Amino acid sequence: GDSVTQMEGPVTLSEEAFLTINCTYTATGYPSLFWYVQYPGEGLQLLLKATKADDKGSNKGFEATYRKETTSFHLEKGSVQVSDSAVYFCALKGPLAETSGSRLTFGEGTQLTVNP
Amino acid sequence: EAQVTQNPRYLITVTGKKLTVTCSQNMNHEYMSWYRQDPGLGLRQIYYSMNVEVTDKGDVPEGYKVSRKEKRNFPLILESPSPNQTSLYFCASRGDPLTDTQYFGPGTRLTVL
Repeated sequence: GDSVTQMEGPVTLSEEAFLTINCTYTATGYPSLFWYVQYPGEGLQLLLKATKADDKGSNKGFEATYRKETTSFHLEKGSVQVSDSAVYFCALKGPLAETSGSRLTFGEGTQLTVNP
Repeated sequence: EAQVTQNPRYLITVTGKKLTVTCSQNMNHEYMSWYRQDPGLGLRQIYYSMNVEVTDKGDVPEGYKVSRKEKRNFPLILESPSPNQTSLYFCASRGDPLTDTQYFGPGTRLTVL
């Protein structure tokens, strides 16, 4: 079945540092890939997405590129801020998801803490 | 404001005492679902609904029930809660399938003693 593996956390960085959170996936066919962010005490929000190979999703300075050859969707940001402290989830939606509840398959989540 | 609301936000209960967690969305979305979030496991889908009166099991449906009598509401029912259902629960909804974007509620933290 479909699965998503994220780098283990927690990750602690200083403000303005470069961020990479690794995400790899296993899926049948060509899934859509997502990064969701969960700020403290809140629900998940879509951060960015990519629906086909070589697509780059971007939002709020974050980027991720859909790499089919390495089955990866790593999240990057060039200069993190304290306000980026949150839990980040990589997720996929398989091509057959409409027949199985449009289910999102999530990774374990990576806690990011950015210190001033 | 477009949103998904859940109530209660926090609940502590005892084993076997029936409870309902409500979920409501104001975006006229057809698709709604429930997830539970546990440390090291990410989010796992419990149940989903493609439309009114249409519900189906997700990955971890045991011990849960749902109903979808109205488009906006999708309550999660625990008939006889057990300690292994202690978790953080999220309701989500989605409109146009082509958008692929799901909107999540703020979460309900449930503790079963």
